[in-house]
Amino acid sequence: EVQLVESGGDFVQPGRSLRLSCAASGFSFDDHAMHWVRQAPGKGLEWVSGIGWNSASVTYADSVKGRFTISRDSAKNSLYLQMNSLRPEDTALYFCAQYTATYDAFDIWGQGTMVTVSS
Amino acid sequence: SSELTQDPAVSVALGQTVRITCQGDSLRSFFASWYQQKPGQAPVLVIYGKNNRPSGIPDRLSGSSSGNTASLTITGTQAEDEADYYCNSRDSSGNRVFGGGTKLTVL
Repeated sequence: EVQLVESGGDFVQPGRSLRLSCAASGFSFDDHAMHWVRQAPGKGLEWVSGIGWNSASVTYADSVKGRFTISRDSAKNSLYLQMNSLRPEDTALYFCAQYTATYDAFDIWGQGTMVTVSS
Repeated sequence: SSELTQDPAVSVALGQTVRITCQGDSLRSFFASWYQQKPGQAPVLVIYGKNNRPSGIPDRLSGSSSGNTASLTITGTQAEDEADYYCNSRDSSGNRVFGGGTKLTVL
């Protein structure tokens, strides 16, 4: 079964750090770029960051650039998001998503992990 | 602010046809992909490319594009189509961007 499972979400104070993980199974992880997308409570989807299949290309939304770092580990079939200097506006459900180039779309999504930033 | 613009809410009578639109300059060069999200669930890809559906997506959903506007059309709308719908493409920097989403209500 093709599956993405996120973990690492938590309740943290502003300025603190958090590392999210996304475990992939059921497909060839190395063949796909991977992305993080977030959704603040009651709001729409916001693209956060993406990483190419071989980690050579990484991109970030302006809202997280310089604070978040995306990475992947092929040996563990896992995607990560290191989140530093967290702000209350980073509070959201964070989804990882597989990007398939032939579709130019995100065709597999995890169920998300919740990050709450509050004092 | 999003570089892809969607109407916040659209309603349709059961069995009728509805069109959900997405506007943005990048759509002149790139196709949009469309995602359906029901409450408490992850988004699901429903349309990609010119007009392609992943396996399991009913053929009453279709996509089209003209100029700077991409459209998702649902023909013979069913109650289970009630959801939020998001378009996705690229922004002026080449990064991915989502539209603000359209809440579809089936009457």
